Amino acid sequence: KNEVEQSPQNLTAQEGEFITINCSYSVGISALHWLQQHPGGGIVSLFMLSSGKKKHGRLIATINIQEKHSSLHITASHPRDSAVYICAVRSANTDKLIFGTGTRLQVFP
Amino acid sequence: AAGVIQSPRHLIKEKRETATLKCYPIPRHDTVYWYQQGPGQDPQFLISFYEKMQSDKGSIPDRFSAQQFSDYHSELNMSSLELGDSALYFCASSFSTDTQYFGPGTRLTVL
Repeated sequence: KNEVEQSPQNLTAQEGEFITINCSYSVGISALHWLQQHPGGGIVSLFMLSSGKKKHGRLIATINIQEKHSSLHITASHPRDSAVYICAVRSANTDKLIFGTGTRLQVFP
Repeated sequence: AAGVIQSPRHLIKEKRETATLKCYPIPRHDTVYWYQQGPGQDPQFLISFYEKMQSDKGSIPDRFSAQQFSDYHSELNMSSLELGDSALYFCASSFSTDTQYFGPGTRLTVL
């Protein structure tokens, strides 16, 4: 079993829909990252959070430390949101990020 | 705003050759991380440096070495390249343990 699990693996949405991507982890962490990877490979950091909730534009990320669970929400989705969204946790004892398998999102007009 | 710079962006090598990948962190960032992402795979942590000292080590082969220089840039040296080393190599930088910002990656192809 992976230390970081994401669901769903693939997600298709119509433009304007509200999207939720979930991440569960089994290790102690000091922080959790949500990353976005576009075709061609570039990775963009969306959020880093260790508690509560963060919002940036149409993106909202929440984390529940007790339940070891985080969600990434996209409101009013747009085709340009199409990408792979990756949850990565920083282990409590090290610097390294442990990556989830990613959620491939496609938003159609 | 300045981002993480990686060079080269693309690299093609033959088996058993050597390769050097460079990473220039965001100004004032003191920590550099290297990740390897094979085709269709999750990124895997290789190694990290804080203030020019190795701070953590992951699944980095013995054929690979890395260092961080006095100007905080980092180089990943890869020797005796194998076909399986073909991957996208990401560098990320941060200020201490703050958010890691990723570079665009270097795509290495070993023929």
